Amino acid sequence: DAGVIQSPRHEVTEMGQEVTLRCKPISGHDYLFWYRQTMMRGLELLIYFNNNVPIDDSGMPEDRFSAKMPNASFSTLKIQPSEPRDSAVYFCASRPTGTPKRTSETQYFGPGTRLLVL
Amino acid sequence: AQKVTQAQTEISVVEKEDVTLDCVYETRDTTYYLFWYKQPPSGELVFLIRRNSFDEQNEISGRYSWNFQKSTSSFNFTITASQVVDSAVYFCALSGNAGKSTFGDGTTLTVKP
Repeated sequence: DAGVIQSPRHEVTEMGQEVTLRCKPISGHDYLFWYRQTMMRGLELLIYFNNNVPIDDSGMPEDRFSAKMPNASFSTLKIQPSEPRDSAVYFCASRPTGTPKRTSETQYFGPGTRLLVL
Repeated sequence: AQKVTQAQTEISVVEKEDVTLDCVYETRDTTYYLFWYKQPPSGELVFLIRRNSFDEQNEISGRYSWNFQKSTSSFNFTITASQVVDSAVYFCALSGNAGKSTFGDGTTLTVKP
């Protein structure tokens, strides 16, 4: 299995530009998570989907951030307009649904996208 | 609400020393999972172990061992005979009934030769 795939791996953009991060989860996984990692705030959960439906987006910092999952094999995280404080590593993770008694299964992380907003 | 506390921000040891990374958690869920992840300098997050709340058996995997104590809400991680390649940030995480994980702030381990 190829694992969780994220693109691009690195992104440098100027303030005010739109940024789109992409994620392909592991096939068969029906949960998908977007995280942001910064030195100041550590790992923060931004949003997660189950069966392509957003379940909890309470971690999305502002209206400038939006996420979609149009199908089971693809998700995007968009920032528009981007700001320097959005500079971070953005991770995507996926996991399968557990059996009825095992509601939480291991999340597998992608390599991350390092975003720098100038 | 869930909370994971890794009180040790940074630990530095000399190669071959044993080191224990502490993790204390809070949750109201009766069923939950605990995880440890490793983030080496290359940046990726690597899954190390998962334990469920009903299984308090300690686990050993090579030089790694984990001590789950439900009575003290702790899930500590010990590396025996540490090596330079163990240098990384280690995250403890908790996942409850809601399905999402809460991560600790991480402990940066530096193993010096």
